[in-house]
Amino acid sequence: GAVVSQHPSRVICKSGTSVKIECRSLDFQATTMFWYRQFPKQSLMLMATSNEGSKATYEQGVEKDKFLINHASLTLSTLTVTSAHPEDSSFYICSASPMDGTRYEQYFGPGTRLTVT
Amino acid sequence: DAKTTQPNSMESNEEEPVHLPCNHSTISGTDYIHWYRQLPSQGPEYVIHGLTSNVNNRMASLAIAEDRKSSTLILHRATLRDAAVYYCILRDWAGANSKLTFGKGITLSVRP
Repeated sequence: GAVVSQHPSRVICKSGTSVKIECRSLDFQATTMFWYRQFPKQSLMLMATSNEGSKATYEQGVEKDKFLINHASLTLSTLTVTSAHPEDSSFYICSASPMDGTRYEQYFGPGTRLTVT
Repeated sequence: DAKTTQPNSMESNEEEPVHLPCNHSTISGTDYIHWYRQLPSQGPEYVIHGLTSNVNNRMASLAIAEDRKSSTLILHRATLRDAAVYYCILRDWAGANSKLTFGKGITLSVRP
């Protein structure tokens, strides 16, 4: 199956700093990637849809100025959590599907655990 | 997005079949039924999907009711590695870029 990677897998940062999380599709190209957040014991919540070469589409209630998304190429999307606070501590997961439409499923990254102290 | 309803949890014994139910009474004609699972501290992984007919793959089978208002994911022989949260999701097929909306899922425990 297709592979999606995320970097870093874990990050600890101090309150007020910014953190960048990378999502890469390793063996396929994707015009669209998705970013999710998951708090402990809860389900995945879609944060935004990342579109290559254009602005991301954010879900209701997600601050676009706090969660900056850049989809610079067909294999890379980045999520930057700006001025992070302890309440931003969560498990961040990205996903993508091959743009050629040959596969219906979405492929998920392994997730990035962010802890803000 | 149309909603799905799943039990909160289910227990099974290792090497026995497991049937995970899902209700989706408001499903529309263009909704595909997708199943994903998430092992602890990992990203979700695709299990199976279908539209109207029953489907089989190497991981599982998907049985879809004739009226499409419910479906059942079948794991033929549960292993300890199958312990996970299983999500039943309706996805309006608008191409590879259509989003997935996760519900609470069902937590499957497997007893050795």
